[in-house]
Amino acid sequence: SAVISQKPSRDICQRGTSLTIQCQVDSQVTMMFWYRQQPGQSLTLIATANQGSEATYESGFVIDKFPISRPNLTFSTLTVSNMSPEDSSIYLCSVGGLAGTYEQYFGPGTRLTVT
Amino acid sequence: RKEVEQDPGPFNVPEGATVAFNCTYSNSASQSFFWYRQDCRKEPKLLMSVYSSGNEDGRFTAQLNRASQYISLLIRDSKLSDSATYLCVPDNAGNMLTFGGGTRLMVKP
Repeated sequence: SAVISQKPSRDICQRGTSLTIQCQVDSQVTMMFWYRQQPGQSLTLIATANQGSEATYESGFVIDKFPISRPNLTFSTLTVSNMSPEDSSIYLCSVGGLAGTYEQYFGPGTRLTVT
Repeated sequence: RKEVEQDPGPFNVPEGATVAFNCTYSNSASQSFFWYRQDCRKEPKLLMSVYSSGNEDGRFTAQLNRASQYISLLIRDSKLSDSATYLCVPDNAGNMLTFGGGTRLMVKP
């Protein structure tokens, strides 16, 4: 597995503002992903963060709303732009591709509340 | 049909009981299957991986039935600390995972 940290762990933001969430891994990893988990729901994949190129977004998620960076194999950021209360959620990064498997390991998550 | 279907529960069982959860999936191309546990307000943690017909790890046994497209998780001798939500997760086109809604387990003393 890998040790994954996220910053901030939680935040309360005003609507219309943006928040950037950081994900740091203690080793180089092939795959990094960003998920959202809304209250009482399961995880929904937002995008795959690609090192050195644009992220691959899932249906319903767009780059203008959720810009993602991945400058190297140990770090990624997700920005939630122009926030509204509907963006209140837990945002989780995960890593995968370790030892050639499809297993994913998750960071502790960022709990976002938009007022 | 949903991609992954799980009974949301909750399953309320006494300590020491055996409990089983089933999960059905729709993508017949899925090759790898995972069970994650998620505690309240925490991130999902990988419990077990299943690449063939099944896997066993201590009190936990997972069985896969590809023909019927379901996977089960059996927990023997339940502990209070097993109380959590269990997520059934098949792979979907390789590195992508599809998360079920989860089954909530409450183990009571």
